[in-house]
Order: sequence, then structure tokens, then C-alpha cells
Amino acid sequence: DSGVTQTPKHLITATGQRVTLRCSPRSGDLSVYWYQQSLDQGLQFLIQYYNGEERAKGNILERFSAQQFPDLHSELNLSSLELGDSALYFCASSVAWTSSGNTIYFGEGSWLTVV
Amino acid sequence: AQSVAQPEDQVNVAEGNPLTVKCTYSVSGNPYLFWYVQYPNRGLQFLLKYITGDNLVKGSYGFEAEFNKSQTSFHLKKPSALVSDSALYFCAVSLLEGRDDKIIFGKGTRLHILP
Repeated sequence: DSGVTQTPKHLITATGQRVTLRCSPRSGDLSVYWYQQSLDQGLQFLIQYYNGEERAKGNILERFSAQQFPDLHSELNLSSLELGDSALYFCASSVAWTSSGNTIYFGEGSWLTVV
Repeated sequence: AQSVAQPEDQVNVAEGNPLTVKCTYSVSGNPYLFWYVQYPNRGLQFLLKYITGDNLVKGSYGFEAEFNKSQTSFHLKKPSALVSDSALYFCAVSLLEGRDDKIIFGKGTRLHILP
């Protein structure tokens, strides 16, 4: 158990809908990362927050947004969902503001299926 | 731009034999390199990392990796494979360059240990 908690574990929704994925980082970790894992794209970095502020941005679509709250939990909002958004979404956390050299710890992921 | 490549989609090894999972990287500065493992329906688990110092890094579950700067490689190794080592293995590289600060993962290599 990495200490990173993600909910829900599984989610099925229709195209055009909006969903929110939730992540609680490990105790003491200030950075939260979001990744998308799909069969064809591999593991893609979406966005990182550090202590409530956006720190780095990856291949995140404009239909997606994230935030980190004062209690350090984070939410990833996915809107106007398309079939291609079906994937496993991971949250990860680390203690530092930079990912360089610092180990990040992953949650179990949220499986999103768009039908 | 920094990148990491795992040239083999799948590696098959007989139980008890040594295993190697290959990884090469491309960065403009000093790399920080990681190996993670993903078991079915689970999140990524940290195995080991190279920051600096000894080129041979020892990690969890008897795995080790050798950093080779001249060949820009960071191959994962284990002297004697177990069936329970069967999983998806990811190599990752991170580098802090100004605002460009993120961990890039390879596509993953599926390791099959044959009993």
C-alpha cells in the first residue's frame, strides 16, 4: 500500500458527461501528480500541483482540469467525455516540489469507461 | 527534449534464469532514472532509482539496475527470476530544466517468467 488513495476505483459514464476523480496523497506529501494510462498512449503525464498551486503541465486536454485543495487532496475533472477518454487515471504524490530525483508514489488508479 | 525508450514490448524468461529489461534515455543534463513495476489491476510500485554515485543500484524484490552513462542506458536486472516477477515494468527519467520538470515514463515492458 503506497498510502495514496484514489476514488472511485471504477466508473462507467456516457459520452458528453462530466466526472470527478479524487485523490488523497500520502501523509506529508505536498505534490500531487495526475497520469493517464491507456493501451495506445502508455503512461501520460497530465498535471502536477504543489501545495495548492499548479507546478507543471503535461498533455492535459482543455476539457480536463484539476485542483489541489488546502487539505492537499486533489480532484481531476473530466468533462465532455469522449470514448477515447476511457483509461486508467493515476494519482501520485511526493514530498517535494520537484519531481527530479524524488520518488513519486502511485495510487491504485481510477478506471474510467466512457460508453 | 528528454525521453526514455524501452525497446522490448515483451520479455520472456524461464524461472531461475537471469533477467534483463532494457531502458535507454536521452537527456541534455544529468539524468535521474527510475524503475517502477505494475502488477495486474494495481498502481505502479517504485523499485529503485539512480541519482548519483555508484552505477549499480539495488532495489526492492532483489532487482538491481546499472547506470551506463556512455551508453545512456539503465537496464533492470535480477540474477534469478521468479514467476511472481511477471508484471509490466516501466523505466522513467526526470530532469529539472527551468520550468520543464516532469517525470517521463517509457512505454513499458511486459515481463513473462515461465515456470
